[in-house]
Amino acid sequence: EAQVTQNPRYLITVTGKKLTVTCSQNMNHEYMSWYRQDPGLGLRQIYYSMNVEVTDKGDVPEGYKVSRKEKRNFPLILESPSPNQTSLYFCASTHVGTGGNYGYTFGSGTRLTVV
Amino acid sequence: QKEVEQDPGPLSVPEGAIVSLNCTYSNSAFQYFMWYRQYSRKGPELLMYTYSSGNKEDGRFTAQVDKSSKYISLFIRDSQPSDSATYLCAGQAGTALIFGKGTTLSVSS
Repeated sequence: EAQVTQNPRYLITVTGKKLTVTCSQNMNHEYMSWYRQDPGLGLRQIYYSMNVEVTDKGDVPEGYKVSRKEKRNFPLILESPSPNQTSLYFCASTHVGTGGNYGYTFGSGTRLTVV
Repeated sequence: QKEVEQDPGPLSVPEGAIVSLNCTYSNSAFQYFMWYRQYSRKGPELLMYTYSSGNKEDGRFTAQVDKSSKYISLFIRDSQPSDSATYLCAGQAGTALIFGKGTTLSVSS
């Protein structure tokens, strides 16, 4: 089954304790992205990657890091989490071609609580 | 000003009603327009997309884009309780996808 898999689904952590949220896709998509979703603010892009070793900032990158060492994986790293990073996080991926629709496939989400 | 504006609702309708969900956008570079459906505790899933202006129909769903007025609509006919979800509109320029904040729809039986 074609899918984007995120882990963990739920995470409660303490301020300052480094954590990694993993994202993996099995569709050979070039493009991968991380979003956070907050009430009243909608989906906001954190970071994206056009392909292996190519990453760039989205709208809200502060406090986050990413890496893209393999095509299928795109982990999100919080080096020193703070309570304002409590949110619902989504990983998404899509094919990149020469024009055409690029509908994203989303993972099921990671609900992070930082206390 | 956010590039895609969407009324968050909530919108409550009885089963069988026709539902109209709407968005406005400001980015003239958008080429594709999409509607995603998000059930509670799930990730968004692509429902429909349209290229440029015009209508696209898929079963009970019709997506409509009017580029002259920068208006995006999704119509749901014969709405069902299973349609209860948050609906997100989005505009795409290149690979960048810009979402509205979503409209929460509740269909009661």
